[in-house]
Amino acid sequence: AQKVTQAQTEISVVEKEDVTLDCVYETRDTTYYLFWYKQPPSGELVFLIRRNSFDEQNEISGRYSWNFQKSTSSFNFTITASQVVDSAVYFCALSERNSGYALNFGKGTSLLVTP
Amino acid sequence: DAGVIQSPRHEVTEMGQEVTLRCKPISGHDYLFWYRQTMMRGLELLIYFNNNVPIDDSGMPEDRFSAKMPNASFSTLKIQPSEPRDSAVYFCASTPGLAGVNEQFFGPGTRLTVL
Repeated sequence: AQKVTQAQTEISVVEKEDVTLDCVYETRDTTYYLFWYKQPPSGELVFLIRRNSFDEQNEISGRYSWNFQKSTSSFNFTITASQVVDSAVYFCALSERNSGYALNFGKGTSLLVTP
Repeated sequence: DAGVIQSPRHEVTEMGQEVTLRCKPISGHDYLFWYRQTMMRGLELLIYFNNNVPIDDSGMPEDRFSAKMPNASFSTLKIQPSEPRDSAVYFCASTPGLAGVNEQFFGPGTRLTVL
């Protein structure tokens, strides 16, 4: 069963628009970690953020912000004022204590930002 | 630090041949992971090591795949014999401390094509 669901396969926005990438996870563990990674067209995987299950504080880093809600098992990612350089595939991932903390990735959301 | 180093970056081989992928983790990182990325299955964990010892190899698809970590600075993923369905990008990642808790640093990947 898929533990991390990224329902949006592809999103296309025009530069300067705000965009939210959804991530819904499934776990019975009380201790777990959530991650977002970016994969630009060049192919490397770039770490964006880590959040543990005990910290529901939202986080903002420049144009990026993350909304973690345990009640809905969601960890959504918003890019404000998107730029062409934001075009990439974005992956949400879950690691659980009961699974030895192996990373379980979602299928990814491909974001295209056009000028 | 140079980051996680993988070689080769691209490999084209014929069905039935042996393929060896190599990885040098970041110095001081206790954990090393091998992932495979395909369009159909996304990013999948194949195996991970802690202090050179394989911890979880449940993701290794079949006996044709094997991985070793003879020392803290080197790991190999071998496919013998290779098949066209093994065509994918193979990523190596490393992390300090407890796996899944800390950020995983990914290498640039090896793009394998089996004809």
